[in-house]
Amino acid sequence: GAGVSQSPRYKVAKRGQDVALRCDPISGHVSLFWYQQALGQGPEFLTYFQNEAQLDKSGLPSDRFFAERPEGSVSTLKIQRTQQEDSAVYLCASSLMGEVNQPQHFGDGTRLSIL
Amino acid sequence: GNSVTQMEGPVTLSEEAFLTINCTYTATGYPSLFWYVQYPGEGLQLLLKATKADDKGSNKGFEATYRKETTSFHLEKGSVQVSDSAVYFCALSDNNDMRFGAGTRLTVKP
Repeated sequence: GAGVSQSPRYKVAKRGQDVALRCDPISGHVSLFWYQQALGQGPEFLTYFQNEAQLDKSGLPSDRFFAERPEGSVSTLKIQRTQQEDSAVYLCASSLMGEVNQPQHFGDGTRLSIL
Repeated sequence: GNSVTQMEGPVTLSEEAFLTINCTYTATGYPSLFWYVQYPGEGLQLLLKATKADDKGSNKGFEATYRKETTSFHLEKGSVQVSDSAVYFCALSDNNDMRFGAGTRLTVKP
């Protein structure tokens, strides 16, 4: 498809397990963003890549959260030793490079539930 | 830091009613402003944008004007439809640092 693709769509894990969430951005989009969206709230910034470089990770809530984009395309958000407060929808977005403040194109998200 | 405050919901309107969802922002720079819409079960979609003061963004009958003097970007539509039922998010982007409001749920009844 032409849009941002995220997988899995739903993930249920037990507290303490590690999870990995995948994002396939729109082809040719240089910038990639991860957000966390709690129920009834707006998305909160986690981290930002430009190509393979992680330029900003100030939003990652703890060192249990790790993101990578080794070849500048697909990105993976990994959460280690999951806790119940990690339950949320994780959104990935991509945008063209060039001017800053380009509109971001969002995937449908991964809904993570920690039991 | 930068932030966005938008009208709390939920908002319930009858079809063909006039819609306003208020949004104000705080920013240290010169941000671009956006409205995103999230339909049930779907991801966020860009509805409209404005990149500088006095710009008006418009799409699908929705409009919003970038007002620097009042730091506002209120969303309006003259006649809503049932299909407009969704959650609407106001957002700003300042040097690729994007901040969202909490969202306003709109329900339009026939």
